[in-house]
Order: sequence, then C-alpha cells, then structure tokens
Amino acid sequence: DAGITQSPRYKITETGRQVTLMCHQTWSHSYMFWYRQDLGHGLRLIYYSAAADITDKGEVPDGYVVSRSKTENFPLTLESATRSQTSVYFCASSESAVAGLQETQYFGPGTRLLVL
Amino acid sequence: TQLLEQSPQFLSIQEGENLTVYCNSSSVFSSLQWYRQEPGEGPVLLVTVVTGGEVKKLKRLTFQFGDARKDSSLHITAAQPGDTGLYLCYNNNDMRFGAGTRLTVKP
Repeated sequence: DAGITQSPRYKITETGRQVTLMCHQTWSHSYMFWYRQDLGHGLRLIYYSAAADITDKGEVPDGYVVSRSKTENFPLTLESATRSQTSVYFCASSESAVAGLQETQYFGPGTRLLVL
Repeated sequence: TQLLEQSPQFLSIQEGENLTVYCNSSSVFSSLQWYRQEPGEGPVLLVTVVTGGEVKKLKRLTFQFGDARKDSSLHITAAQPGDTGLYLCYNNNDMRFGAGTRLTVKP
C-alpha cells in the first residue's frame, strides 16, 4: 500500500536496551522527519533528513541516532533506552521542507514506546 | 527560535457550540500551518496561511492569519463530535509545532 508506515506500532523495552523504530514511505519524498510527542509538549523534532545520506539534528536529538541509506527508509535508533524516552514517536515525510514553501508533512500512525 | 504558544490548552464543549483557538508567536511568521490530530493517529494538514490578514475557510472551520503575521486563529462553527482532536500550529521556518489545543466536542 502507498503511504508512510511505521513499525512496530507498540514496543515495550527495558532501560539500557537498543531499540530501532522503522519508517518507510512510498512517495519518494525528499524529506523525512522523526518527532516525539509527549503530553504538554506537542510534537518535538528529533532528527530530519533532506535526502539519502543527509541528516540533521532537530530540537531534541540527544540519545537518538538516525540513518538514511535509501530515500524511502528512515530508521530511528535509541542506542541505550532511558525511561525519559517513553513517548509516542511519529515519522513524517514531505516533498520539501524549505522555509517558505509551506510543504505538507504526511505523518505515519506512530509508534508507542514504553521504556521500563 | 520562534516559540509558538497555543491557547487554550484544553477545551470541552457541547455539540453545536462555536469555538476559537489561538496560536501566537513572539516574532513574525513567514507562514503558518494548522494540523489536526485525531486520537491514535498522526497529524493531518488542515491549512497553510501565508499573507497577513488572510482568511481561509474549510467547511465549518475558518482560519485567520494576523495582519502582523505574529498570530493565527482557528474558529469552528457549530462544532460536531467529529471535530474532537488535537489542533496544532506549525512554523516551518524552524520546524516547530505548538503544544496544541485538545478539543473535545460532546454529543
């Protein structure tokens, strides 16, 4: 199916474990984004990518690693999960993100992560 | 960094009532987007406003961009339970969302 998908949808892990959240889009959009959503904070940008092999930090990058070897995939890795990383994670894509172009971001359904 | 303040944080109303939610900034937006997020789903774009004083309508939703481009409002007429959700404003200059207004419309 076309669109943007995330996996897993739900994940429970323990403190100190490595976790990878997957994101896949079928539109060949240049830009992809990872956000986390916590009560009272709205969505906060973790990392984004303008193209394959180009990534950049967002507002809250500490404790996360990303890669983008292919245009359609943008995995997010928590190298050593902490309880403060319990959150809902959203992946998004857009054709562009250049300020002023007002591109639409298309969001995946989210991954709910619980770190015990 | 351009902080976005949304108000109110929570709003609970009865079906048929009107409401307005706000998004304000300490500095000028080049443009602003409004998204709606329904429970358990990702946000979906409602509208983009670009020009100061601009008004856009989407069925029962009216979006206004302030003349000075430092604020925006979303007005819903005759709210319905299907309008329930989190309304978020977004500034793509620095890729930031506001914290959102969580709207509940009771039947």
